[in-house]
Amino acid sequence: GNSVTQMEGPVTLSEEAFLTINCTYTATGYPSLFWYVQYPGEGLQLLLKATKADDKGSNKGFEATYRKETTSFHLEKGSVQVSDSAVYFCALSGGQAGTALIFGKGTTLSVSS
Amino acid sequence: DTGVSQDPRHKITKRGQNVTFRCDPISEHNRLYWYRQTLGQGPEFLTYFQNEAQLEKSRLLSDRFSAERPKGSFSTLEIQRTEQGDSAMYLCASSVGDLYNEQFFGPGTRLTVL
Repeated sequence: GNSVTQMEGPVTLSEEAFLTINCTYTATGYPSLFWYVQYPGEGLQLLLKATKADDKGSNKGFEATYRKETTSFHLEKGSVQVSDSAVYFCALSGGQAGTALIFGKGTTLSVSS
Repeated sequence: DTGVSQDPRHKITKRGQNVTFRCDPISEHNRLYWYRQTLGQGPEFLTYFQNEAQLEKSRLLSDRFSAERPKGSFSTLEIQRTEQGDSAMYLCASSVGDLYNEQFFGPGTRLTVL
């Protein structure tokens, strides 16, 4: 079936460090891929998306590239800030996966100054 | 604020009671979704509507759960005879048709069943 697997957290980094959160997916067809973020005490927010192979989504210094050959959508940021501390969710939908979002379990990022 | 809103934000109830949650989507969005999120997990899909039609239901949606969207605007999710296992955050999201299915989420309703 369709699924999303994220690296387990928590991820603990110092400010200005490089961030990678791995995400791989299993899906039939050509789904769209998303990263959502949940800041403490807030609701889920869309961070970035990519709708076809080789697309790069980017927002707020975060980037992720839709890699069909490796079925991956890894999230990266060159220099994290304390304000990036949050839970990050990788998700897919569309194609033969249907309209619902299928989420990974989430990765908690904690950035210290 | 024109985002997705949910009411109530918190609900504490006793096992066996019925509860109802409301979601108001972004006004021009024709699709509305319900998800459930438990601690340490990603949201899990429950059901979705396109306008007033309920088009898909997850196997997670037992017969104690019912959702409506009577006029294609707001939606309600009712849980009958609540069980402790129903304790979770219930999230509502909305989107515009097939526009890459970018879904916008509300703040959620946290349900605690004692």
